[in-house]
Amino acid sequence: LAKTTQPISMDSYEGQEVNITCSHNNIATNDYITWYQQFPSQGPRFIIQGYKTKVTNEVASLFIPADRKSSTLSLPRVSLSDTAVYYCLVGDVSGGSYIPTFGRGTSLIVHP
Amino acid sequence: ETGVTQTPRHLVMGMTNKKSLKCEQHLGHNAMYWYKQSAKKPLELMFVYSLEERVENNSVPSRFSPECPNSSHLFLHLHTLQPEDSALYLCASSPKTGAGTGNTIYFGEGSWLTVV
Repeated sequence: LAKTTQPISMDSYEGQEVNITCSHNNIATNDYITWYQQFPSQGPRFIIQGYKTKVTNEVASLFIPADRKSSTLSLPRVSLSDTAVYYCLVGDVSGGSYIPTFGRGTSLIVHP
Repeated sequence: ETGVTQTPRHLVMGMTNKKSLKCEQHLGHNAMYWYKQSAKKPLELMFVYSLEERVENNSVPSRFSPECPNSSHLFLHLHTLQPEDSALYLCASSPKTGAGTGNTIYFGEGSWLTVV
């Protein structure tokens, strides 16, 4: 089963760009890479998803190198409200069914 | 609003009580999930349902009993729980049952459970 490794925590300041890298050495050929954001006492919510190269939406960018063994979530100009836990998720499969298993995530704290 | 609704949002129960958590998704998804999140701990996947059939049970104690009567509803029946079962219980759904197809997980707001 694919597993992910992320830094446990990161600190940043308002207005800075934050890059969080996730390692997924055993990613399968047809797996997508998805990032989620979780605020305290809430369920995680989708941020961005990609398969290869670069994906950008209104809140983040996702960089995936050619070997796909890692990915980097980039948050431009963070604000205090970006303080949250960020999870990367790749596909786990059991008996043909998707088993979304989250790792520990990265706790990002944005300081004034 | 994610399209996944959980009730109740808060529940306090005694160790001898029987209660249920309910989840309903309005997204037409084919897979549903229960997660447990204890204080300052990562999300733990408890149960996976794919097209109303249970396909994964991560060694969850039998005092937690899931039920999926149809693809839109998921229940978690609780009985004789322990105080250490106090946690945030999250329901989620996804469009597809297989991986590698851009599947995205949509979570509800969670049900806070306190066992006294």
